[in-house]
Amino acid sequence: DGGITQSPKYLFRKEGQNVTLSCEQNLNHDAMYWYRQDPGQGLRLIYYSQIVNDFQKGDIAEGYSVSREKKESFPLTVTSAQKNPTAFYLCASSIWPNGGEQFFGPGTRLTVL
Amino acid sequence: QQQVKQSPQSLIVQKGGISIINCAYENTAFDYFPWYQQFPGKGPALLIAIRPDVSEKKEGRFTISFNKSAKQFSLHIMDSQPGDSATYFCAASRDQGGKLIFGQGTELSVKP
Repeated sequence: DGGITQSPKYLFRKEGQNVTLSCEQNLNHDAMYWYRQDPGQGLRLIYYSQIVNDFQKGDIAEGYSVSREKKESFPLTVTSAQKNPTAFYLCASSIWPNGGEQFFGPGTRLTVL
Repeated sequence: QQQVKQSPQSLIVQKGGISIINCAYENTAFDYFPWYQQFPGKGPALLIAIRPDVSEKKEGRFTISFNKSAKQFSLHIMDSQPGDSATYFCAASRDQGGKLIFGQGTELSVKP
């Protein structure tokens, strides 16, 4: 059963704590992406990676970090430097180049208490 | 130049009616224009996509109309059904895919 999995589905964090969101894909896609979704603002790109051991900042990378040690995995760390981290986080993947369709995971809802 | 502007923000349509959502862009280098559908609490899923060499693409009840000179594209949902109630996002990218720029989203509600 191919697809993208994200865990956990819900995550609660205290202010000042770092937290890592998991994203795994078994679609054999080269490219992976992290988006943040807030009401009325669409999806905003945080980081993306086209190949293993390489990644680029998106439009709102401040306060976030990523790694891409394996093709299948692209974890996102929300650091304490992110001023307003409460949001719905979506991971996606696509072929590269000529990526076309991006396939999205089910998302992680992060709430900072 | 990187923005994609989407309207309306919300839309209410009666069952059987036509839903129309519009998007506009500035960057003429964009060459791939997808529409995504998202249900509450779920990730978006590709609905239909178009490239600028055609002016219209139809898949079932869903049609994209593309106006290259006006830098606009729109999604038409014919015979709208309550099951179509969702949030719809337009997007655009360069190089036939990869990094997508999303519109702000339209929350569609189809009343029975």
